[in-house]
Amino acid sequence: DAKTTQPTSMDCAEGRAANLPCNHSTISGNEYVYWYRQIHSQGPQYIIHGLKNNETNEMASLIITEDRKSSTLILPHATLRDTAVYYCIVRVYGSEKLVFGKGTKLTVNP
Amino acid sequence: SAVISQKPSRDICQRGTSLTIQCQVDSQVTMMFWYRQQPGQSLTLIATANQGSEATYESGFVIDKFPISRPNLTFSTLTVSNMSPEDSSIYLCSGSSGRSLPDTQYFGPGTRLTVL
Repeated sequence: DAKTTQPTSMDCAEGRAANLPCNHSTISGNEYVYWYRQIHSQGPQYIIHGLKNNETNEMASLIITEDRKSSTLILPHATLRDTAVYYCIVRVYGSEKLVFGKGTKLTVNP
Repeated sequence: SAVISQKPSRDICQRGTSLTIQCQVDSQVTMMFWYRQQPGQSLTLIATANQGSEATYESGFVIDKFPISRPNLTFSTLTVSNMSPEDSSIYLCSGSSGRSLPDTQYFGPGTRLTVL
């Protein structure tokens, strides 16, 4: 599976958009980008995934660049409850395995 | 989405003993997995729990240390055997239903294990 690179930590003001970047420059054509988050002392929570088109759901938006070498997870109106470690994972279609990197620790400040 | 529960939520054990962690899913899932999260670290896949057959272990994990059972499509257990303080971690199970392609994996809340 392709390797991902994320900033170690980010801060965001409550109510503002949180934009979390992820670099996956070696991604292959059959690999999806998944985002999970882990709030302290809880299991990881699925957020969103995409292949090449931008995706939006009730939690977030996923913007994937045209060359698919990077993506951005957008939380449109961050709240204090969005404080968590966010993991960007590249997953081969047909493979069930998730390989977690170190993720980005997002802190939402009041 | 699948709702996954784990028992116990936490435990404190003595070295040399074993602990069995249970994972229950509220609906049938095709795939179940066990992960370990050591203090301050990310998640590492231990094994894939296969229904009716032996689990598939990742490099660095062996059946004698982490025996896994999966008797049906909604339940699995992970045993941490002959524990040492280095086994102190959060153990998480996950499952995916196989109803969509690509599928989504959902996680349990984890079992926090402390070995003294």
